Amino acid sequence: AQTIHQWPVAEIKAVGSPLSLGCTIKGKSSPNLYWYWQATGGTLQQLFYSITVGQVESVVQLNLSASRPKDDQFILSTEKLLLSHSGFYLCAWRTGGCNERLFFGHGTKLSVL
Amino acid sequence: DAKTTQPDSMESTEGETVHLPCSHATISGNEYIYWYRQVPLQGPEYVTHGLQQNTTNSMAFLAIASDRKSSTLILTHVSLRDAAVYHCILRDQQGTGSKLSFGKGAKLTVSP
Repeated sequence: AQTIHQWPVAEIKAVGSPLSLGCTIKGKSSPNLYWYWQATGGTLQQLFYSITVGQVESVVQLNLSASRPKDDQFILSTEKLLLSHSGFYLCAWRTGGCNERLFFGHGTKLSVL
Repeated sequence: DAKTTQPDSMESTEGETVHLPCSHATISGNEYIYWYRQVPLQGPEYVTHGLQQNTTNSMAFLAIASDRKSSTLILTHVSLRDAAVYHCILRDQQGTGSKLSFGKGAKLTVSP
């Protein structure tokens, strides 16, 4: 069975500090991976999408970057956090075929102070 | 992915049957109708999907209009655990899948 793991579960960071959030998928080769962000009370916004190692497509610019260093790993990062980066970050993978669906990780709650 | 329209919120009481409507007037022939639900500080959870025929599973019944311009997610015997934001989304499964958008959805409140 496929499992998706996000880390850390929560972070409290200072404005201007760097950030790295991770996501790992086990049990699925070459997954399509997504990063989503949700401000408190806001809608879920897709940030990045990756279909293979080394290939990342940006959907929304939020002064964040993403990388796909391994087939099963998706990293979200920035060198300088802004207050507006606070929120809930979710990683997801998408199955294919006629029963396509998204499976989400448990998310990372980020508070930027 | 094409646009859908849902009510902002709906209310129900435990044990009732709830009908959550979704309008998708510009749906194209190869687009599937998907429903996800989300509770605070958790990722969305898949509920069901369909193309043309009504579908049912352990979570819900999806009724799709014959012209496919609207659908209704039907939850029977709702419990407090069904309280969530329900998202109706259209997906073209022939596409690359690079963009998967969630709107505001419909917030379902369930009272004891």
